[in-house]
Amino acid sequence: EAEVAQSPRYKITEKSQAVAFWCDPISGHATLYWYRQILGQGPELLVQFQDESVVDDSQLPKDRFSAERLKGVDSTLKIQPAELGDSAMYLCASSEQGAGNSPLHFGNGTRLTVT
Amino acid sequence: QQQVKQSPQSLIVQKGGISIINCAYENTAFDYFPWYQQFPGKGPALLIAIRPDVSEKKEGRFTISFNKSAKQFSLHIMDSQPGDSATYFCAPPGSSNTGKLIFGQGTTLQVKP
Repeated sequence: EAEVAQSPRYKITEKSQAVAFWCDPISGHATLYWYRQILGQGPELLVQFQDESVVDDSQLPKDRFSAERLKGVDSTLKIQPAELGDSAMYLCASSEQGAGNSPLHFGNGTRLTVT
Repeated sequence: QQQVKQSPQSLIVQKGGISIINCAYENTAFDYFPWYQQFPGKGPALLIAIRPDVSEKKEGRFTISFNKSAKQFSLHIMDSQPGDSATYFCAPPGSSNTGKLIFGQGTTLQVKP
């Protein structure tokens, strides 16, 4: 079964440093999501792409976070500078249609620790 | 941000028992109400989903009950097994046309052998 690939699996960085995460969605999935999951909580949407266009980034802290999906396939999420409160699991998901009834397929995430 | 209220926060059930998790949501305009299952160190995975034109959907030991008027849907796990020990999230849609899901806070289920 096709999977969403994410790397790195774990990342430890110091406060004020830059960090980047990569996601390769399931082939053919036009919609890509980045979610952040703080330990003990549910995932929260950071940004949603339809092909290469941002559909929803209302919850993305744009002063320090950026995301791109230049060719409408893989995507990169960047944090600069990282803060202690950014420690969390960053999950990428993809879906075929991006419609309300299209299942999301999640990767296994990148666990970020900011020291 | 829409609110999704999930309960209980944690649940301990004996093997063979019934696990019940509830979810209350705000918006009734949508047509897809899923439950996701997450094991430690893994991303969430779709477990079962229901459309609001039916009141119940069963897949094996997992059943969703849907109450549109009360804006609630529940997950029932029959004959709970230790392998069902995981965190469960309801995730009703936050938008009608983007597929955005609003996840509940999660319910950690422990099934004791």
